[in-house]
Amino acid sequence: ETGVTQTPRHLVMGMTNKKSLKCEQHLGHNAMYWYKQSAKKPLELMFVYNFKEQTENNSVPSRFSPECPNSSHLFLHLHTLQPEDSALYLCASSQSDWAGEQFFGPGTRLTVL
Amino acid sequence: DQQVKQNSPSLSVQEGRISILNCDYTNSMFDYFLWYKKYPAEGPTFLISISSIKDKNEDGRFTVFLNKSAKHLSLHIVPSQPGDSAVYFCAASRGNQFYFGTGTSLTVIP
Repeated sequence: ETGVTQTPRHLVMGMTNKKSLKCEQHLGHNAMYWYKQSAKKPLELMFVYNFKEQTENNSVPSRFSPECPNSSHLFLHLHTLQPEDSALYLCASSQSDWAGEQFFGPGTRLTVL
Repeated sequence: DQQVKQNSPSLSVQEGRISILNCDYTNSMFDYFLWYKKYPAEGPTFLISISSIKDKNEDGRFTVFLNKSAKHLSLHIVPSQPGDSAVYFCAASRGNQFYFGTGTSLTVIP
């Protein structure tokens, strides 16, 4: 595997379910990000991890819970989501000493019923 | 409140001609400005960036121009090729905070 991978690519869940999105980067980067992209809206930065420490949390509801066990893996745990949380969730990584260029995964298309 | 705006949702250009994609921003404290390209079913791919201390950066067919007084940046693609057809996002960063525009869908007509 190369670059940034995300699983699953598609996920349909009910509002009472608990699920997790997984991201893995094979680039040796130290920073990882979660973004949300809703229809006709810009990408919204949700969380940033630098060297496994969360450095940014952009007022994201607590029903989204990130986890970064090491510099290569990032999870987004989902529970009691709402239909308006349906979106494309993108993971990205970068070298922490320059946050300019980010490498994105293909995204997980999430549908909440 | 969007800090980065792309006011043209779509653009069509003839192959061989110049494509100009525009982006406006509101925060004068941004450090870097970036352009990403996105094909369907793929994540965005980094294209080119420019530091806030420069006004132009060129990489092959791609040139980004930054006008800080107008808080405006643009991406020029010349000559445009059919493979350039994609959605282009501009982004601005300050530290680890990134702000993206809504994207412009470019179609290059053969």
